[in-house]
This record gives sequence, structure tokens and C-alpha cells, in this order.
Amino acid sequence: AQTVTQSQPEMSVQEAETVTLSCTYDTSESDYYLFWYKQPPSRQMILVIRQEAYKQQNATENRFSVNFQKAAKSFSLKISDSQLGDAAMYFCAYRSRAQGGSEKLVFGKGTKLTVNP
Amino acid sequence: SAVISQKPSRDICQRGTSLTIQCQVDSQVTMMFWYRQQPGQSLTLIATANQGSEATYESGFVIDKFPISRPNLTFSTLTVSNMSPEDSSIYLCSAGQLGSPLHFGNGTRLTVT
Repeated sequence: AQTVTQSQPEMSVQEAETVTLSCTYDTSESDYYLFWYKQPPSRQMILVIRQEAYKQQNATENRFSVNFQKAAKSFSLKISDSQLGDAAMYFCAYRSRAQGGSEKLVFGKGTKLTVNP
Repeated sequence: SAVISQKPSRDICQRGTSLTIQCQVDSQVTMMFWYRQQPGQSLTLIATANQGSEATYESGFVIDKFPISRPNLTFSTLTVSNMSPEDSSIYLCSAGQLGSPLHFGNGTRLTVT
């Protein structure tokens, strides 16, 4: 079974600075997706960024980028120019892409990000 | 991306009663899932809602406690049966197409007294 580990329960960053959230995962599959979701206090789960395992290029979405290290099974999220609205719980998630495999999401425990003005 | 509406958004229920949560998607989707998020915790998958057949439950979750329906490709319900205070959680519906990101409803905050 796949597992996702987020080793940082809480992180803080100054507004306009850069912060990196860590995520590692364990799987025996070679083809899969990885995601970062954001959950503000409103509890809405918002997709931040997505990475396909077969792609070597790291995904980027505006101020958000990932460092995907497939061999190390590491998938960190970098937030540049942090804004107050970035404050939220951030969840790393794994999803199988194997044919016949479940496409359910497996989540890490989350990292609470605080942005200080 | 699919827009997912979930209702009720919150409810306070008495021990021993049941609550049915509805999840409506604005377009047909191949996959629908139900998650539970206990206070201060991550999301745990309850089951995969299968259209026209019985749901597939994860370890620790049973149909008698969490019956799920999915009559078509846009709608699903989750019932929390014979509730106890331990069932107090946020319940989230997620949906999407094969190979595409899953999106989530706003969740239902359930409090059992």
C-alpha cells in the first residue's frame, strides 16, 4: 500500500519570502500522480499543483513549484513571494495511475503554514 | 474542472440518528469518492462510490455504518448511520475523470451530541 509522509506539522514564513514544504512517499509503482492540495479554514480542498511521475520536468504554477525526485521518492512544494492568503493546511497526496489500480487519493498528515506580515 | 456541491454544509445531530449527505457534480464524472476528516487530522478515504453497483469500502469502514448510493454519473449520497460522538467529523465528496485531478466539495461538518 502506498503511504505519504509530511514530516513538518507546522511551518511559518514571512510575507514575500520563500518557503518549502516537504513530502516523501512510498510506492512500488512506477506510474502515478502526485498532488499538493491547500485547505484554508473554510475547509475547501483546493488543488495547488500536480505532477505526473513519468515527467522529469518539475511542475510550476505561478508562485508554486515542486521539486520532484523520483528515485528518492520526494516531492516538495516551494512557495515563492508568500502572501497572507497562502496561510492554510497543505496536504501532499499520491494517486495511482496503474491500469486497474484505484485512482483514489492517499494523503499525508498535512503541514500547517502560517504567513507572518 | 467539475463543480461539486455538497449539502448540508453542517449539521448537529443526536446520538443514534442518521444523516444523509448529498454530493452533486455539474458534469458527468467517472469517479466519486467519500472522505472523512476528523478534527485536526488528514483525509481518510471511506469508500469509492460506484455507479450502479455497491460501493467499495476501505478497511475499517462498513456498509451498514456508511451506506453509499450512486444512481448516476453526477450524484452520490453518503449516510452516516446510528451516529455516536466519534462520528463528529468533516465529510468530503470528491469527483473527477480518470487521469484528471480530483476536485472536492466544500464538505459537511457533522457534530453528534
